[in-house]
Amino acid sequence: EADIYQTPRYLVIGTGKKITLECSQTMGHDKMYWYQQDPGMELHLIHYSYGVNSTEKGDLSSESTVSRIRTEHFPLTLESARPSHTSQYLCASRGGAYGYTFGSGTRLTVV
Amino acid sequence: GQQVMQIPQYQHVQEGEDFTTYCNSSTTLSNIQWYKQRPGGHPVFLIQLVKSGEVKKQKRLTFQFGEAKKNSSLHITATQTTDVGTYFCAGETTDSWGKFQFGAGTQVVVTP
Repeated sequence: EADIYQTPRYLVIGTGKKITLECSQTMGHDKMYWYQQDPGMELHLIHYSYGVNSTEKGDLSSESTVSRIRTEHFPLTLESARPSHTSQYLCASRGGAYGYTFGSGTRLTVV
Repeated sequence: GQQVMQIPQYQHVQEGEDFTTYCNSSTTLSNIQWYKQRPGGHPVFLIQLVKSGEVKKQKRLTFQFGEAKKNSSLHITATQTTDVGTYFCAGETTDSWGKFQFGAGTQVVVTP
């Protein structure tokens, strides 16, 4: 069973709106990640964190920001959404030397 | 920077046939992971390989890590319709500890 939760599952918003995508995990993992993925395509790392108060930008240039105030919570914020942000956003966590556990994702559409 | 390439990009397989998908890195990897993503779903971790030349099996799936730790393969025997999905490899290097580089994936379609 998934122990990493993303909300909302689907979101349609207008251009220019500010949005926050939520991600929480109950596994106590230190490492958390945000990926952007168009359907069936490659995963692009946009942000990651190795612990509380630690955040880094990934390989994909993004107009988003993240925060890591609590171990279990890693929200992603888009200050001003644009149609080019339309995509699926996947949150993941990793404990120790194991694989990533991915959330179910947020499918974002900006109109 | 590190690049992870997967081939083929698409694989059409007749049910019951075998196929192999390959993953190649431009740099030596400390370990490699494989994931499966069903259509409309999220990636699910399958396995991690760490040792040079390592081979691991999961039922009909055989995973191999190259001797030079720069390539890996996933071989599926007797393909079933449940094998449909996209298979991703992801590699980690000592320079990118904790941060895996994903390949573009192999999308598998199974014909009954």
